[in-house]
Amino acid sequence: GAVVSQHPSWVICKSGTSVKIECRSLDFQATTMFWYRQFPKQSLMLMATSNEGSKATYEQGVEKDKFLINHASLTLSTLTVTSAHPEDSSFYICSAVGLAGADSYNEQFFGPGTRLTVL
Amino acid sequence: GDSVTQMEGPVTLSEEAFLTINCTYTATGYPSLFWYVQYPGEGLQLLLKATKADDKGSNKGFEATYRKETTSFHLEKGSVQVSDSAVYFCALSDPSGAGSYQLTFGKGTKLSVIP
Repeated sequence: GAVVSQHPSWVICKSGTSVKIECRSLDFQATTMFWYRQFPKQSLMLMATSNEGSKATYEQGVEKDKFLINHASLTLSTLTVTSAHPEDSSFYICSAVGLAGADSYNEQFFGPGTRLTVL
Repeated sequence: GDSVTQMEGPVTLSEEAFLTINCTYTATGYPSLFWYVQYPGEGLQLLLKATKADDKGSNKGFEATYRKETTSFHLEKGSVQVSDSAVYFCALSDPSGAGSYQLTFGKGTKLSVIP
């Protein structure tokens, strides 16, 4: 149980275009989802915390108008990289925390990641 | 604020060697501690966890004990295999911190096991 998927697993796009990445909790409901960015050979950097039905909370230094997050349901959060540029190329990873009272509560379950390359 | 410090790699070991990856932490409350593993090109997988002092987490031959007195959570394995080659992240979740269930990660330690 507690599986999180991401789609797509990799994407290549041209500079100036927008890219949407989906994060789904497949077998549990997630009140909270997190979005991370990972640069090569580095740790994960938390970008934002996404709560279902409310606006995402962005970490300091993360542009909320560039990285749009929508958590429309208890099983889906999306990250849209708007007007992508080569410096946005990175590995994006999401995670999800289950509902209180569930086995998945109080633990983050990670998706497999999405490799974004902006040409 | 909360922080996690783990030994920098890369670490290269021969198969069947003993592994230790050190991890220490600072936290305002009573955190839960985790070790995650990341295989090349993949996301993170939880390897083991401990939620209170003196708890020992274990999985797939890996162990780590939550030591409150030394604020440490060192990862150990008695005999590593080539398939253990990956990046290992130590992390903490502090329920008294600013964000519920937010994880604070160490920088990661790359382990390479050679036959």
